[in-house]
This record gives sequence, C-alpha cells and structure tokens, in this order.
Amino acid sequence: ELKVEQNPLFLSMQEGKNYTIYCNYSTTSDRLYWYRQDPGKSLESLFVLLSNGAVKQEGRLMASLDTKARLSTLHITAAVHDLSATYFCAGGGEAGGGADGLTFGKGTHLIIQP
Amino acid sequence: DAMVIQNPRYQVTQFGKPVTLSCSQTLNHNVMYWYQQKSSQAPKLLFHYYDKDFNNEADTPDNFQSRRPNTSFCFLDIRSPGLGDAAMYLCATSRDRGGGRATNEKLFFGSGTQLSVL
Repeated sequence: ELKVEQNPLFLSMQEGKNYTIYCNYSTTSDRLYWYRQDPGKSLESLFVLLSNGAVKQEGRLMASLDTKARLSTLHITAAVHDLSATYFCAGGGEAGGGADGLTFGKGTHLIIQP
Repeated sequence: DAMVIQNPRYQVTQFGKPVTLSCSQTLNHNVMYWYQQKSSQAPKLLFHYYDKDFNNEADTPDNFQSRRPNTSFCFLDIRSPGLGDAAMYLCATSRDRGGGRATNEKLFFGSGTQLSVL
C-alpha cells in the first residue's frame, strides 16, 4: 500500500524568500503529482512527474522527482502572497493496472506574508 | 468551460436522510472517481468506475454507494448520513486507469460538493 508523507505540514514564510516542500512515498509509484488547493475550492493540477530526474517548472514553482530516493520536492522561488494555498503531493497507479486513483499526502498549508 | 461538473456546490442534509451528489463530465473519460475530503485533511479515495466496472476501496463504509448510468454521469449516494460524513466530496476523471502507460495521465477534478449534516 502506497503511503505518502509531506513535510512540513504548515509553513509560514515571507514574500521574496525561497523554500522547499518535501514529499516522500513508500513504494514504487508510476507517477507523482502536485496539486494546489485554495480554501473551499477544488484541486488544481500543478505538475505530473513521470520519471526519475524529471523536473518541471511553472512560474515560481519547480517540482522534481527522484524515484530512487522516493522523494519529490516542490521548490518555491521568491514567494509572493498569491502562492498562499495548501499544496498536496500524490502518488498513484501501480504498474500493470492495479490500484487506481491517487494516494495523497496530508498537504502543506502555506502562508506567505508580505 | 468546466469539464467536470459537480452539483450542487453546497448540500445540507439531515442526519440519516439519504442524499445523492452528482458529477458529470464532458471529457469522455473512461474513469470516474469519488474522493472524500474532511476539513484540513487529504482527499481520500472512496471508489472509482473504470467504464462500468465498479471498484470499491477496502475501507469505504457500506453507507456509501455509487452509480454510473453512462459515461458522462456518476452519482454518490449516502444512504444514512452521519455527522462524520460532513465533508467536501470531490469527483475526478481520468482518460485511463493507473496501469495505463499513457504519458501525462492526470486526474481532472470537479469543484466539489460541500456536504453538511445537521
């Protein structure tokens, strides 16, 4: 059974600073996702990482995947207030058509202060 | 345009009164999922349909049922809601299931239905 752990769970940072959210997972996962969720809203897909060494960037966010370490990171560069949200990582999809859907981490509640 | 549509956005029901949440999709995706997300927690998969094939998670209570009459629609039925069932219910779709090797496979989420139980 796939387990996904994120840290930190809560993060308060100042605008302009850099920080990294970590996501560890317990067993082989076909792919790793990052989602953003604003309060009371649904999940917005940020990144899908499919292979070892994958790196994707969108604006101030960059995600990477190390399948050997079973670790994904979400790096925030020069944070701005609009990035305040809860960020989830999720793994899923066993090879060969096994369990489906995604297993989510508990989320990182990010507050960016002016 | 919204591709995964959930109705209603907010639903209030009484303790023990059956309630149905609906989800429709315009993506013609094979797989539809229902997730439960309680306040400040991660979404938890309840079950999913791969086409007409229903797949229940082992720890999903019997109180939760689902129907998928056609490709576009999927319903979540809660037979006797309890106070602990108050949550955001998220519907999601994907073109193929996790075992598929399609690249960039991802889930598309609806806006969710916030269920309150009084």
